Amino acid sequence: QQQVKQSPQSLIVQKGGISIINCAYENTAFDYFPWYQQFPGKGPALLIAIRPDVSEKKEGRFTISFNKSAKQFSLHIMDSQPGDSATYFCAASKAAGNKLTFGGGTRVLVKP
Amino acid sequence: GAGVSQSPSNKVTEKGKDVELRCDPISGHTALYWYRQSLGQGLEFLIYFQGNSAPDKSGLPSDRFSAERTGGSVSTLTIQRTQQEDSAVYLCASGRRGTYGYTFGSGTRLTVV
Repeated sequence: QQQVKQSPQSLIVQKGGISIINCAYENTAFDYFPWYQQFPGKGPALLIAIRPDVSEKKEGRFTISFNKSAKQFSLHIMDSQPGDSATYFCAASKAAGNKLTFGGGTRVLVKP
Repeated sequence: GAGVSQSPSNKVTEKGKDVELRCDPISGHTALYWYRQSLGQGLEFLIYFQGNSAPDKSGLPSDRFSAERTGGSVSTLTIQRTQQEDSAVYLCASGRRGTYGYTFGSGTRLTVV
């Protein structure tokens, strides 16, 4: 059972454009929703995260939008740069320190 | 150390052999996690250790997989009688008790030939 569904699988965006990645979850017990960024040959690195008590969180060019009633959340990368080219994973967990359930990943390519 | 350290970074083994993968977590992190990432795929949870509690083994795909954590620090993931479908990147992560999110190592790329 895939508890976190991520789309699209891949995305090509021009430099300066907006990258949007969407995730949907099924388990209403999830209360932590992070996004991880992974470069080839490296482990995933925490990019930004949100708890369900807020609908939006922004850190620099990265914004998470969260819709609790729809059980969906998304990552927006504003002013996309070639250095943002990576694979992005959404995830969800129940309670602090608990295991994360990951989406399938989105490979983002930013063209100069 | 400053980050999560995994060794070896690459491992090629023959089908049927046993392998051991090592993870050295960040000092002071009581939680340790193992994930598997197959080529072009997402991360699949394997096992989770938290302090002295019994580990959550619910993600181990078969009884050929086992893991232990000695002294609440270093962990070893063992795969017995390796199969070609075990080929993947095995990622370890660690985190502090009671906090969200954790730090991943760079992984061990296992290739079974």
